[in-house]
Amino acid sequence: SQTIHQWPATLVQPVGSPLSLECTVEGTSNPNLYWYRQAAGRGLQLLFYSVGIGQISSEVPQNLSASRPQDRQFILSSKKLLLSDSGFYLCAWETGSGANVLTFGAGSRLTVL
Amino acid sequence: TQLLEQSPQFLSIQEGENLTVYCNSSSVFSSLQWYRQEPGEGPVLLVTVVTGGEVKKLKRLTFQFGDARKDSSLHITAAQPGDTGLYLCAGPKGGSNYKLTFGKGTLLTVNP
Repeated sequence: SQTIHQWPATLVQPVGSPLSLECTVEGTSNPNLYWYRQAAGRGLQLLFYSVGIGQISSEVPQNLSASRPQDRQFILSSKKLLLSDSGFYLCAWETGSGANVLTFGAGSRLTVL
Repeated sequence: TQLLEQSPQFLSIQEGENLTVYCNSSSVFSSLQWYRQEPGEGPVLLVTVVTGGEVKKLKRLTFQFGDARKDSSLHITAAQPGDTGLYLCAGPKGGSNYKLTFGKGTLLTVNP
Protein backbone atom coordinates (compact mmCIF):
# COMPACT_ATOMS: atom_id res chain seq x y z
CA SER A 1 0.00 0.00 0.00
CA GLN A 2 1.02 3.58 -0.54
CA THR A 3 2.17 5.79 2.32
CA ILE A 4 3.32 9.37 2.54
CA HIS A 5 5.68 10.74 5.16
CA GLN A 6 6.42 14.30 6.12
CA TRP A 7 8.99 15.62 8.54
CA PRO A 8 9.55 17.34 10.76
CA ALA A 9 6.06 17.40 12.21
CA THR A 10 6.71 20.58 14.15
CA LEU A 11 9.32 23.27 13.64
CA VAL A 12 10.01 26.58 15.37
CA GLN A 13 12.49 28.77 13.52
CA PRO A 14 13.74 32.37 13.91
CA VAL A 15 13.17 34.93 11.19
CA GLY A 16 15.96 34.82 8.63
CA SER A 17 16.87 31.18 9.21
CA PRO A 18 16.72 28.52 6.45
CA LEU A 19 14.01 25.90 6.08
CA SER A 20 13.85 22.39 4.74
CA LEU A 21 10.68 20.28 4.89
CA GLU A 22 10.83 16.82 3.41
CA CYS A 23 8.17 14.57 1.97
CA THR A 24 8.53 11.01 0.70
CA VAL A 25 6.04 8.62 -0.83
CA GLU A 26 6.26 4.85 -0.70
CA GLY A 27 4.50 2.17 -2.68
CA THR A 28 4.02 4.03 -5.94
CA SER A 29 6.11 5.31 -8.81
CA ASN A 30 6.05 8.54 -10.79
CA PRO A 31 3.46 10.25 -8.59
CA ASN A 32 2.43 13.86 -8.98
CA LEU A 33 3.57 15.67 -5.83
CA TYR A 34 2.23 18.82 -4.21
CA TRP A 35 3.01 21.29 -1.45
CA TYR A 36 0.08 23.17 0.08
CA ARG A 37 0.01 25.70 2.88
CA GLN A 38 -2.91 26.05 5.25
CA ALA A 39 -3.23 29.19 7.35
CA ALA A 40 -5.21 29.27 10.59
CA GLY A 41 -6.70 25.82 10.00
CA ARG A 42 -8.69 26.85 6.96
CA GLY A 43 -8.43 26.62 3.18
CA LEU A 44 -5.44 25.17 1.39
CA GLN A 45 -3.24 27.23 -0.91
CA LEU A 46 -1.29 25.37 -3.58
CA LEU A 47 2.38 26.37 -3.47
CA PHE A 48 4.17 23.95 -5.81
CA TYR A 49 3.49 20.84 -7.81
CA SER A 50 5.70 18.40 -9.65
CA VAL A 51 4.91 15.85 -12.34
CA GLY A 52 8.42 14.37 -12.46
CA ILE A 53 11.99 14.52 -11.22
CA GLY A 54 13.35 18.04 -11.51
CA GLN A 55 10.03 19.40 -12.80
CA ILE A 56 8.63 22.05 -10.47
CA SER A 57 5.71 24.41 -11.10
CA SER A 58 5.19 27.35 -8.76
CA GLU A 59 1.72 28.67 -8.16
CA VAL A 60 2.40 31.69 -5.98
CA PRO A 61 5.43 34.03 -5.96
CA GLN A 62 6.94 33.76 -2.53
CA ASN A 63 9.89 33.22 -0.29
CA LEU A 64 9.84 29.46 -0.79
CA SER A 65 11.22 27.00 -3.31
CA ALA A 66 10.71 23.32 -4.01
CA SER A 67 12.85 20.55 -5.41
CA ARG A 68 12.30 16.95 -6.47
CA PRO A 69 15.67 15.23 -6.47
CA GLN A 70 14.18 11.72 -6.63
CA ASP A 71 10.95 10.27 -7.99
CA ARG A 72 9.29 9.95 -4.60
CA GLN A 73 10.93 12.81 -2.71
CA PHE A 74 9.69 16.39 -2.58
CA ILE A 75 11.44 19.10 -0.58
CA LEU A 76 10.21 22.54 0.41
CA SER A 77 12.92 25.08 1.21
CA SER A 78 13.63 28.66 2.08
CA LYS A 79 16.92 30.49 2.40
CA LYS A 80 15.55 33.11 4.83
CA LEU A 81 12.24 32.65 6.60
CA LEU A 82 9.75 35.46 7.10
CA LEU A 83 7.13 35.76 9.82
CA SER A 84 4.47 35.30 7.13
CA ASP A 85 5.87 31.85 6.30
CA SER A 86 4.32 30.45 9.48
CA GLY A 87 1.62 27.91 8.80
CA PHE A 88 0.71 24.28 8.35
CA TYR A 89 2.44 22.76 5.33
CA LEU A 90 0.93 19.74 3.67
CA CYS A 91 2.51 17.44 1.14
CA ALA A 92 0.25 15.38 -1.09
CA TRP A 93 0.52 12.90 -3.94
CA GLU A 94 -1.73 11.58 -6.63
CA THR A 95 -1.35 8.93 -9.27
CA GLY A 96 -1.33 11.28 -12.23
CA SER A 97 -4.24 9.47 -13.80
CA GLY A 98 -6.21 12.70 -14.08
CA ALA A 99 -8.56 11.81 -11.26
CA ASN A 100 -7.15 14.61 -9.06
CA VAL A 101 -7.53 12.47 -5.96
CA LEU A 102 -5.01 13.68 -3.41
CA THR A 103 -3.56 11.75 -0.50
CA PHE A 104 -2.10 14.05 2.10
CA GLY A 105 0.67 13.64 4.61
CA ALA A 106 0.16 14.48 8.26
CA GLY A 107 1.56 17.98 7.80
CA SER A 108 4.39 20.07 9.20
CA ARG A 109 3.58 22.91 11.59
CA LEU A 110 6.03 25.80 11.08
CA THR A 111 6.20 28.72 13.48
CA VAL A 112 8.52 31.58 12.59
CA LEU A 113 9.40 33.84 15.51
CA THR B 1 -10.43 32.71 -11.04
CA GLN B 2 -12.40 29.67 -9.97
CA LEU B 3 -13.48 30.13 -6.38
CA LEU B 4 -15.25 27.69 -4.13
CA GLU B 5 -17.25 29.29 -1.34
CA GLN B 6 -18.27 27.15 1.59
CA SER B 7 -21.00 27.88 4.09
CA PRO B 8 -21.43 28.08 6.94
CA GLN B 9 -17.86 28.76 8.05
CA PHE B 10 -18.57 27.40 11.53
CA LEU B 11 -21.26 25.02 12.76
CA SER B 12 -21.74 23.74 16.28
CA ILE B 13 -24.50 21.22 16.91
CA GLN B 14 -25.58 18.57 19.39
CA GLU B 15 -25.12 14.88 18.85
CA GLY B 16 -28.05 13.39 16.95
CA GLU B 17 -28.90 16.51 14.94
CA ASN B 18 -28.89 16.68 11.16
CA LEU B 19 -26.92 19.26 9.20
CA THR B 20 -26.11 20.40 5.69
CA VAL B 21 -23.04 22.29 4.51
CA TYR B 22 -22.63 23.88 1.12
CA CYS B 23 -19.98 24.45 -1.51
CA ASN B 24 -20.82 26.99 -4.21
CA SER B 25 -19.12 28.48 -7.24
CA SER B 26 -19.96 30.68 -10.19
CA SER B 27 -17.87 28.36 -12.36
CA VAL B 28 -18.60 24.91 -13.72
CA PHE B 29 -16.45 22.10 -12.37
CA SER B 30 -15.87 18.78 -14.07
CA SER B 31 -15.88 17.18 -10.63
CA LEU B 32 -15.88 18.14 -6.97
CA GLN B 33 -14.34 16.42 -4.00
CA TRP B 34 -15.07 16.53 -0.29
CA TYR B 35 -12.35 16.06 2.31
CA ARG B 36 -12.47 15.91 6.09
CA GLN B 37 -9.58 17.18 8.16
CA GLU B 38 -9.06 16.57 11.85
CA PRO B 39 -6.91 18.93 13.93
CA GLY B 40 -3.19 18.52 13.30
CA GLU B 41 -3.67 16.09 10.44
CA GLY B 42 -3.91 16.19 6.66
CA PRO B 43 -7.27 16.15 4.86
CA VAL B 44 -8.72 12.77 3.96
CA LEU B 45 -10.83 12.28 0.86
CA LEU B 46 -14.48 11.39 1.53
CA VAL B 47 -15.97 11.35 -1.95
CA THR B 48 -15.68 12.58 -5.53
CA VAL B 49 -18.78 13.58 -7.49
CA VAL B 50 -18.51 13.86 -11.26
CA THR B 51 -21.99 13.89 -12.78
CA GLY B 52 -24.46 16.77 -12.51
CA GLY B 53 -27.28 15.80 -10.16
CA GLU B 54 -25.30 12.90 -8.75
CA VAL B 55 -26.02 11.75 -5.20
CA LYS B 56 -23.57 9.61 -3.26
CA LYS B 57 -24.06 8.14 0.18
CA LEU B 58 -21.34 7.19 2.62
CA LYS B 59 -23.06 5.76 5.70
CA ARG B 60 -24.70 8.82 7.35
CA LEU B 61 -23.18 11.26 4.86
CA THR B 62 -25.01 12.20 1.66
CA PHE B 63 -23.22 14.20 -1.04
CA GLN B 64 -24.97 15.90 -3.91
CA PHE B 65 -23.55 17.55 -7.02
CA GLY B 66 -25.69 20.30 -8.50
CA ASP B 67 -27.31 19.78 -11.88
CA ALA B 68 -25.24 22.60 -13.36
CA ARG B 69 -22.06 21.30 -11.68
CA LYS B 70 -21.49 24.61 -9.93
CA ASP B 71 -22.32 23.55 -6.40
CA SER B 72 -22.38 20.65 -4.01
CA SER B 73 -23.80 19.86 -0.61
CA LEU B 74 -22.97 17.49 2.21
CA HIS B 75 -25.75 16.32 4.51
CA ILE B 76 -25.00 14.46 7.71
CA THR B 77 -27.76 12.55 9.45
CA ALA B 78 -27.69 12.01 13.21
CA ALA B 79 -24.32 13.65 13.69
CA GLN B 80 -21.86 12.08 16.10
CA PRO B 81 -18.87 13.59 17.94
CA GLY B 82 -16.61 11.63 15.59
CA ASP B 83 -17.93 13.75 12.71
CA THR B 84 -16.19 16.79 14.19
CA GLY B 85 -13.66 18.31 11.82
CA LEU B 86 -13.03 20.71 8.96
CA TYR B 87 -14.95 19.80 5.81
CA LEU B 88 -13.31 21.02 2.62
CA CYS B 89 -14.59 20.93 -0.91
CA ALA B 90 -12.19 21.02 -3.85
CA GLY B 91 -12.33 21.03 -7.62
CA PRO B 92 -9.92 20.98 -10.57
CA LYS B 93 -8.43 24.42 -11.06
CA GLY B 94 -8.96 25.89 -14.49
CA GLY B 95 -9.73 22.46 -15.88
CA SER B 96 -6.24 21.30 -14.97
CA ASN B 97 -5.49 17.63 -14.49
CA TYR B 98 -2.90 18.52 -11.88
CA LYS B 99 -4.23 21.23 -9.62
CA LEU B 100 -7.09 21.43 -7.15
CA THR B 101 -8.60 24.61 -5.77
CA PHE B 102 -10.00 24.33 -2.25
CA GLY B 103 -12.74 26.15 -0.43
CA LYS B 104 -12.00 27.59 3.01
CA GLY B 105 -13.98 24.87 4.69
CA THR B 106 -16.74 24.42 7.23
CA LEU B 107 -15.55 23.77 10.77
CA LEU B 108 -18.05 21.37 12.33
CA THR B 109 -18.23 20.67 16.05
CA VAL B 110 -20.58 17.97 17.29
CA ASN B 111 -21.11 18.18 21.03
CA PRO B 112 -21.93 15.02 23.00
